[in-house]
Amino acid sequence: AQSVTQPDIHITVSEGASLELRCNYSYGATPYLFWYVQSPGQGLQLLLKYFSGDTLVQGIKGFEAEFKRSQSSFNLRKPSVHWSDAAEYFCAVGDGYSSASKIIFGSGTRLSIRP
Amino acid sequence: SAVISQKPSRDICQRGTSLTIQCQVDSQVTMMFWYRQQPGQSLTLIATANQGSEATYESGFVIDKFPISRPNLTFSTLTVSNMSPEDSSIYLCSVEDSSRAWGRATGELFFGEGSRLTVL
Repeated sequence: AQSVTQPDIHITVSEGASLELRCNYSYGATPYLFWYVQSPGQGLQLLLKYFSGDTLVQGIKGFEAEFKRSQSSFNLRKPSVHWSDAAEYFCAVGDGYSSASKIIFGSGTRLSIRP
Repeated sequence: SAVISQKPSRDICQRGTSLTIQCQVDSQVTMMFWYRQQPGQSLTLIATANQGSEATYESGFVIDKFPISRPNLTFSTLTVSNMSPEDSSIYLCSVEDSSRAWGRATGELFFGEGSRLTVL
């Protein structure tokens, strides 16, 4: 069965520091991979997605993620975080054929920013 | 993209009562999805609402507890019935991106801002 693991429940980084949020997936075929962000009191917003092609994908707000098939990972990165990046981040996996009902979300990583 | 509005944004409810959450989309969509996000947890799909047919519920969720209406292609409601404190959650409405990439659905979801329910 497909699954998504976000091993870090909570991460704190200093403003201006680099960030990497980990995501590992278990999937039988080439997955569709997503990162969503949920700011306090808000719904989820898509940061970026990977379907195929270049394994390094660029997203909004200066985020990027790299798909590594050999490691079954899709880690999210940002070279310099801003205080407004404090939020909950969710990794998700789908197959691109089924409806969105088949998308599996990870448990989330809460990001705090130290001034 | 799609713009989704949910009402209410938050509410405090008494045990045993029911509350209906409304979801309005700014475009016509075939499927609408209802998720539950319990405190500190990830998203769990409750059901898929199709216009003109009964909703499809995921394992662990039943129609008697979470009745859903889908009267047209832009609107849906989710009712949380006979609430208990365990129903305290954020309930999110979502729709799927209608665009296609190489003939396949992108899988991207658009979300409303959520309805935060607290049951006392």
